[in-house]
Amino acid sequence: QSVLTQPPSASGTPGQRVTISCSGSSSNIGSYSVNWYQQLPGTAPKLLIYINNQRPSGVPDRFSGSKSGTSASLAISGLQSEDEADYYCAAWDDSLIAWVFGGGTKLTVL
Amino acid sequence: EVQLGESGGGLVQPGGSLRLSCAASGFTFDNYWMSWVRQAPGKGLEWVANIMPDGSEKYYVDSVKGRFTISRDNAKNSLYLQMNRLRAEDTAVYYCVRYDFWGGNYYFDYWGQGTLVSVHS
Repeated sequence: QSVLTQPPSASGTPGQRVTISCSGSSSNIGSYSVNWYQQLPGTAPKLLIYINNQRPSGVPDRFSGSKSGTSASLAISGLQSEDEADYYCAAWDDSLIAWVFGGGTKLTVL
Repeated sequence: EVQLGESGGGLVQPGGSLRLSCAASGFTFDNYWMSWVRQAPGKGLEWVANIMPDGSEKYYVDSVKGRFTISRDNAKNSLYLQMNRLRAEDTAVYYCVRYDFWGGNYYFDYWGQGTLVSVHS
């Protein structure tokens, strides 16, 4: 059972907008910024969104992040087939004194 | 270009030991915290350990405390993970990860390709 809760799956058709939620608590998301990672099949994770809503260089602006209270969301607009991947949220937890990840959301592009 | 390359993974029996290495290039290694993150087969990501740029502070997930040791050699731009008393549940791909910060907020920014550790008899 992951400390951060994500839906196990999400789906959408090309061009659609999809959101993935990440729910935590006051000791993690409620106190610290959230980062999102994209893991394409058979590859290492890649930083997608950092500090809640910042995009690294090279990440398309179709990807956006937000945080409110003890929850965060990743939004993907203009869905493309190459967005099919696993997505993970992460935050520091000062109760566990550890980094915690969500269980991951498998995004399927129909 | 930032590059992280892990090595040292393999098959080991329960109770055995293994030492993972990570060669870093493309950035000033001794300016950055570094981390190990693992992923069991078909499962999600789990943070394992962090180490300060000068190696003076180290942090571990509870499940590996007392068994794993993270270390670094800044002269060789290398990160290590010494894993002792290995258990079946340590079976995973282990990623070497750079740990950056901005405005007091931390994040894992660059990941290696990973090395597989399999623990079974």
